[in-house]
Amino acid sequence: DIQMTQSPSSMSASLGDRVTITCRASQDIGNYLSWFQQKPGKSPRRMIYGATNLAAGVPSRFSGSRSGSDYSLTISSLESEDMAIYYCLQSIQYPYTFGAGTKLELK
Amino acid sequence: EVQLVETGGGLVQPGNSLKLSCATSGFTFSTAWMNWIRQTPGKRLEWLAQIEDKSNNYFISYLESVKGRFTISRDDSKSSVYLQMNNLKEEDTAIYYCTRDYGYNSLFDYWGQGVMVTVSS
Repeated sequence: DIQMTQSPSSMSASLGDRVTITCRASQDIGNYLSWFQQKPGKSPRRMIYGATNLAAGVPSRFSGSRSGSDYSLTISSLESEDMAIYYCLQSIQYPYTFGAGTKLELK
Repeated sequence: EVQLVETGGGLVQPGNSLKLSCATSGFTFSTAWMNWIRQTPGKRLEWLAQIEDKSNNYFISYLESVKGRFTISRDDSKSSVYLQMNNLKEEDTAIYYCTRDYGYNSLFDYWGQGVMVTVSS
């Protein structure tokens, strides 16, 4: 199975900060990488697909990038509504596998 | 409006069975590939199973650790997907979500609200 190593597991940041979360794939997944946001008591929400594509309705302060086997989710200017857990997902090979999640909190 | 609504969760003893249902609306269900994903109490997300559409002969894929205990199925006439879970274990305790793969660039774009399954004696 493909392992998705996500970092950090948690972080705190201030409003307006630039925040970056990273996932590293254990083998080549091309651009078959998505990012999801989950708020307490809610279902996951897709934010990024195809490594770099913004999902419908997602604010433009969110972006995705790839450098080799490292994939990043960046929030350019943190807002209070962005506090959540973020997960990456690889979908190139079954079983699809998620990263362990990054809990983003307000400093 | 796309909707996915899971039902059938609850408290069950180890070794027993449970069948989850996911009723959908707002899209052409018959062409969608449907998935079940669960979230453990520790917040870990785990993909469980996928069933493809009729044009792909309803091909099914499973997470190895649930193969033989869990069965995914669908009824296109009811726009619903199901997860039959047998021989449940305490580690199956989780929130279970259904979600869809609706073709190009739509993997997991809509999720149900989730249903809680608790396996405990």
